[in-house]
Amino acid sequence: LAKTTQPISMDSYEGQEVNITCSHNNIATNDYITWYQQFPSQGPRFIIQGYKTKVTNEVASLFIPADRKSSTLSLPRVSLSDTAVYYCLVGDKDSGYSTLTFGKGTMLLVSP
Amino acid sequence: ETGVTQSPTHLIKTRGQQVTLRCSSQSGHNTVSWYQQALGQGPQFIFQYYREEENGRGNFPPRFSGLQFPNYSSELNVNALELDDSALYLCASSLEDRNYGYTFGSGTRLTVV
Repeated sequence: LAKTTQPISMDSYEGQEVNITCSHNNIATNDYITWYQQFPSQGPRFIIQGYKTKVTNEVASLFIPADRKSSTLSLPRVSLSDTAVYYCLVGDKDSGYSTLTFGKGTMLLVSP
Repeated sequence: ETGVTQSPTHLIKTRGQQVTLRCSSQSGHNTVSWYQQALGQGPQFIFQYYREEENGRGNFPPRFSGLQFPNYSSELNVNALELDDSALYLCASSLEDRNYGYTFGSGTRLTVV
């Protein structure tokens, strides 16, 4: 049973801001929202994690509305090297063991 | 630069054979997980080890087994290989406090012929 829904693909140009929205209608109270980035033939790389409102780091921002049924990953001024698959995950990071449930992700293609 | 290293990077095996994949976790990380990623799909959870004990398992048959060692390195063993086992196998490590997420290795590309 898929816990998250995100677009299969998105296209952008260098220098633009990219927003990828993820739906997680059944998010539980203890669930956090985490985004990973994956380049071909590499393992996923942690980008950002949040619980509510807004989180920002040196790479991206994560916007989470009050009902937490969706979240938006914002990548400012993308470059060609941001072409990758982006995964949105929800899960309880404080559980006895925490597994990451990946969907198919969003393939972001950045063009010159 | 990733702190998790996996070996080998590529491997070709024949159906019915056994294979062992290895992972060296990031220093200090006491939790290691293994994932299988088929082409065009997201990674699928196989199992997780915490302090040398398996403490979680995904929907994979018993012929997928693992070990975690005191130095936090780990192994994934697959017996009786099938063609559908061809995939990228990823190892991920984390601290008990997962505030900063999991650190993944670059994976082992296994091809079963």
